[in-house]
Amino acid sequence: SQQGEEDPQALSIQEGENATMNCSYKTSINNLQWYRQNSGRGLVHLILIRSNEREKHSGRLRVTLDTSKKSSSLLITASRAADTASYFCATDAGTGNQFYFGTGTSLTVIP
Amino acid sequence: ETGVTQTPRHLVMGMTNKKSLKCEQHLGHNAMYWYKQSAKKPLELMFVYNFKEQTENNSVPSRFSPECPNSSHLFLHLHTLQPEDSALYLCASSQLVSLAGSYEQYFGPGTRLTVT
Repeated sequence: SQQGEEDPQALSIQEGENATMNCSYKTSINNLQWYRQNSGRGLVHLILIRSNEREKHSGRLRVTLDTSKKSSSLLITASRAADTASYFCATDAGTGNQFYFGTGTSLTVIP
Repeated sequence: ETGVTQTPRHLVMGMTNKKSLKCEQHLGHNAMYWYKQSAKKPLELMFVYNFKEQTENNSVPSRFSPECPNSSHLFLHLHTLQPEDSALYLCASSQLVSLAGSYEQYFGPGTRLTVT
């Protein structure tokens, strides 16, 4: 299937450290998005990177996209306890409103 | 607040009950979605509506029946559900897909459904 796969499944770091999560996908995309979900709540959009972009920044977030490797990474710098959440990548296959999500990376930031 | 509301937030229903989930978006979007989120599984897209017209139905069992009376409201009618249907049901909205690709989706807080 097209769905993205996040790696690692779980990540635990100390406050102030950087957190890196990876996403791999299988077919060509128009863009890739990262979302965050706090426990039992809806997803919140973080950043969108288009297939012709290689890197994008938003505050403490840095996203890279390598279409040749069909992979993306999300870097959260200077992590805070409030960053504790699950992070998902979502891809589209350019066929309409179909978005494919992975199972997510569960990030725990220890104060 | 994301501009997408869902009610109820929690629902417990028996397998013979009929209930409905409601979603409303205040963002002026033209596309709305239902997702199912089960533990340890990827978020599953169930239905997509563009301008009130259903465009995607990802092999969802007929015991789930969507309704989109206008671009701001989306319902999911439930009847004769199974215990394995227990999950978090998320509604989302977005602008329609353009030639440049998809737009970000805005999610509601979800309805936690438990089928007994």
